[in-house]
Amino acid sequence: NAGVTQTPKFQVLKTGQSMTLQCAQDMNHNSMYWYRQDPGMGLRLIYYSASEGTTDKGEVPNGYNVSRLNKREFSLRLESAAPSQTSVYFCASSVPRANTGELFFGEGSRLTVL
Amino acid sequence: AQSVAQPEDQVNVAEGNPLTVKCTYSVSGNPYLFWYVQYPNRGLQFLLKYITGDNLVKGSYGFEAEFNKSQTSFHLKKPSALVSDSALYFCAVRDPSGAGSYQLTFGKGTKLSVIP
Repeated sequence: NAGVTQTPKFQVLKTGQSMTLQCAQDMNHNSMYWYRQDPGMGLRLIYYSASEGTTDKGEVPNGYNVSRLNKREFSLRLESAAPSQTSVYFCASSVPRANTGELFFGEGSRLTVL
Repeated sequence: AQSVAQPEDQVNVAEGNPLTVKCTYSVSGNPYLFWYVQYPNRGLQFLLKYITGDNLVKGSYGFEAEFNKSQTSFHLKKPSALVSDSALYFCAVRDPSGAGSYQLTFGKGTKLSVIP
């Protein structure tokens, strides 16, 4: 059982380049999330998808776009990368809010923007 | 808006001694509270949660946490620390009644170091 799978694990971009982080879960979860982790800042929510077909902004959505491709996949796109987007990005999934909201995390994608 | 505070950036404890990692929260309704652990270069792993009921909840690896509504706290505890417990610990809160009920808000994390 793979759980939550993120690709790529590492990426180096130049300022202005674009890229997409991919995330897939095999637990049949309805809800999916993208967080970024920065030293001393904890995890901050970028976007989330409560269910297939819906997406909503989190705490720090500027500079990002998302696509909930189907129930399994939730991608995060940086259209024009900036050094401030250097971070570790985590995808997570959970069952709907009728349950406990426990999140299952991927291993992370470490992004460096030069 | 919901928020979480972890007042200690780092906690050091000797192996075999009890450990406590502190967490306080702020929500408008009744909270759902969580603890997660992160080992180096890994994703977060769920440890335990409080949803309702008994204020003392038990979780993975011998950890437990006590929900205290009057002090708005949810401190993580373990009776006897192991070197392998050394990691980054995150407290998180969710307000199931709020407009952002899908959102889980994390604290900034506390680095636990268990000294042999």
